[in-house]
Amino acid sequence: ETGVTQSPTHLIKTRGQQVTLRCSSQSGHNTVSWYQQALGQGPQFIFQYYREEENGRGNFPPRFSGLQFPNYSSELNVNALELDDSALYLCASSQPGGVNTEAFFGQGTRLTVV
Amino acid sequence: GNSVTQMEGPVTLSEEAFLTINCTYTATGYPSLFWYVQYPGEGLQLLLKATKADDKGSNKGFEATYRKETTSFHLEKGSVQVSDSAVYFCALADRGSTLGRLYFGRGTQLTVWP
Repeated sequence: ETGVTQSPTHLIKTRGQQVTLRCSSQSGHNTVSWYQQALGQGPQFIFQYYREEENGRGNFPPRFSGLQFPNYSSELNVNALELDDSALYLCASSQPGGVNTEAFFGQGTRLTVV
Repeated sequence: GNSVTQMEGPVTLSEEAFLTINCTYTATGYPSLFWYVQYPGEGLQLLLKATKADDKGSNKGFEATYRKETTSFHLEKGSVQVSDSAVYFCALADRGSTLGRLYFGRGTQLTVWP
């Protein structure tokens, strides 16, 4: 079991609403990445935060935004929710160093948009 | 660009059967390759990895060899157990990037019957 925890585990929102998902990184890790895993698909990279700054972004619209706090925990915010945003959202923490360090994943937040 | 193609599932096997899950990749650079496993209700766990051509990653009886000439990283296990039932994801990361962004395949559902 990793030290990465995500909350909440499940969430139901209505189209057009806003949602905030939270992630506590593993002790000693200052890099957090977020992934979206739609049903039956592999995870897709949303963005990464390092030392409270966005460090890279995948092909997601600006209504997906994030924050990282001084304790390296992180939030993913999604505005104007759409039905297609329904997915498992995964957080991964790591040390900096790209592929030379292992990313540890949380158990995910299952978001359902109705 | 970077992408991963996995054999489609689901794969259903009897206990002690031989397992192969095919994975091929396309990469702009020289990637590192990974297999992740996702057990029901859990996040992703790194199963094994290989960072250069002809490297063999291994863990818990699973093996995969980095084949640059065929751009493949097939997962194998000689004798599967019921506890191996899970979704398996092949992934790559660009070694030239400090981001450590992972590109995942769609996943292959494995069910092992006693």
